[in-house]
Order: sequence, then C-alpha cells, then structure tokens
Amino acid sequence: DVQLLESGGDLVQPGGSLRLSCAASGFTFSHYAMSWVRQAPGKGLEWVSIITGSGDSSYYADSVKGRFTTSRDNSKNTLFLQMNSLRAEDTAVYYCAKCLVGAIASDYWGQGALVTVSS
Amino acid sequence: EIVLTQSPGTLSLSPGERATLSCRASQSVSSSYLAWYQQKPGQAPRLLMYGVSTRATGIPDRFSGSGYGTDFTLTISRLEPEDFAVYYCQQYGNSRWTFGQGTKVEIK
Repeated sequence: DVQLLESGGDLVQPGGSLRLSCAASGFTFSHYAMSWVRQAPGKGLEWVSIITGSGDSSYYADSVKGRFTTSRDNSKNTLFLQMNSLRAEDTAVYYCAKCLVGAIASDYWGQGALVTVSS
Repeated sequence: EIVLTQSPGTLSLSPGERATLSCRASQSVSSSYLAWYQQKPGQAPRLLMYGVSTRATGIPDRFSGSGYGTDFTLTISRLEPEDFAVYYCQQYGNSRWTFGQGTKVEIK
C-alpha cells in the first residue's frame, strides 16, 4: 500500500525557517513527481510546489517562490520542503502527495503536517 | 494563471438526490488536466476524477465528470450519506496547478 508520512510541522516565529519531510513507501518513489499542497485553517486547498521524479526540476506557486524549496532524496524515498522567511499567511496544514503520471493530479496524500507561524 | 471558479458554494441536498457541481476556468483547460477531489473534515483530499471523466481507483460509478474548454461538471447520481463533503476541482497547466475554492455538499 502507498503510504506518505509528513513530519516536521511546528510553531515558528515570523521570519523563521522550517523543513518538512515526507517519507514515502509502497511505490517506486523515483518514478513519480511529488507535490506539496497546503490548506490554511478553514480555507480551501492551495498548490505549493511540484518536483519531478528525478528531482531535476521543481515549480512553485507565486506566493512561495523564492522562499520555499522542494527537494527529494530518492535513495531514502523522502521528499522535503524547506520553508524560509515564513509569514503568518503560511500557517496551514501542508500535505505531500504522489502525482499521477504526467503530474496532472495527485492520487495519494499524506495526513498533513501543521505549520503555525506566529510570535 | 488559470483561475477556477466553483459553483454553487454550498449545495443542500438529501440522500438519494442528484448533485451537480460546476467548475469554470478563466481560460481553456486541456481535458487531460482537469481533476476533482473530495475532502471530509479532518481528512486529506481524495482524488475522485482525473482527465475530466476518468474515475480514480476505487471510486464508485455514481460519480461522473464531464465538460471541456472552460466549463466542467462533477455529477453524483444518487447521494450516499458518505458523499456529504467538500469538493474541489483542480487544473494543471505550464507545470502549475490551481484549485477551485470548493463546493460544500451538505445534508438538507
């Protein structure tokens, strides 16, 4: 069975940094693009980033470009989201998700990691 | 950036009724790149449909998707108690995704 387990969510001060991890199992990790999607409390879904299976290319929403970096370690089946210069509006549950072929949608999602940005 | 607008915001229906959810795009979306998700409180989203009309693994056939260009529809033929949830459409284009704001299907 496909499993995605996020970790690293925490309370952080504005301007601070945090790194989320997503441990994947049950599929050939390096064969699939992976995405990050976030959801602010009581709000809808917001796409954050996508990274290709090889890790050679990554893409970002304008709201996080230049502050967030997605990477992956295919030898450890792990996806990362490095978040810098955090703002209050970054407060959300962050989901990692496995993409379908072509990265057109995500068919498996983790349970989410809560990131709270507050002083 | 393609903006997706979902309507209605809330749909109040009874079990057994038909639900019709709309997703309108600000620009034409390739039919291969339109998906629908279901989300229940406290849970991660669940993929229902991709490529407009292809059901994801394990999704019952009471769910169907249609549309092309800028207008897309998710139909639930007969609502089951477990179908009351929030539904989001999502499009992929130029290596970016956008989501609609969601439609809540609630019990009338």
